[in-house]
Amino acid sequence: GDSVTQMEGPVTLSEEAFLTINCTYTATGYPSLFWYVQYPGEGLQLLLKATKADDKGSNKGFEATYRKETTSFHLEKGSVQVSDSAVYFCALSPNTGGFKTIFGAGTRLFVKA
Amino acid sequence: EPEVTQTPSHQVTQMGQEVILRCVPISNHLYFYWYRQILGQKVEFLVSFYNNEISEKSEIFDDQFSVERPDGSNFTLKIRSTKLEDSAMYFCASRLRTGTGSYEQYFGPGTRLTVT
Repeated sequence: GDSVTQMEGPVTLSEEAFLTINCTYTATGYPSLFWYVQYPGEGLQLLLKATKADDKGSNKGFEATYRKETTSFHLEKGSVQVSDSAVYFCALSPNTGGFKTIFGAGTRLFVKA
Repeated sequence: EPEVTQTPSHQVTQMGQEVILRCVPISNHLYFYWYRQILGQKVEFLVSFYNNEISEKSEIFDDQFSVERPDGSNFTLKIRSTKLEDSAMYFCASRLRTGTGSYEQYFGPGTRLTVT
């Protein structure tokens, strides 16, 4: 079945460092891809999305590009801030059936001042 | 901006009791979902609901669980006889289906269920 694999955390970075969180997926067809962020004690917020191959999703300095050939959707940010500390979930949604969302295990990011 | 709301934010119940978790999806959305997240773990799909019936459910969604859309606004998840392992954060989500688009789901803030 469809699945999402993302790099294990935690990831610890200093402020202004470059961030990459790797994400690969397995799916039939052409799913939509998402990154969600969960701040401590809060719910899930959609960070960015991409719906087809080579689409680049971006928001708040974060970017991810839908790579069909490598089935990847890696999250990047050029300069992280302390306020970016959170858990990041890569996810996919098949564009058929009930359109459920399938989440990766999540990667916890700590950013030190 | 429209949002999904959930009540209560925290529910404490004793093992064996029934609980009902409530959600108000975004008003013009057509697909509704429940997910759960056991503390520190991944978010897991439970069930999707469309056109007043379940469209898909996971292995987790056994006979102890049921969903209902009793009126035009609420969407509920009932657990008939709670177990300790049902302790988790439960997220409701809704989605607007159109002809094209990314169909992203909008998540509520969650209900933390604690079974003692």
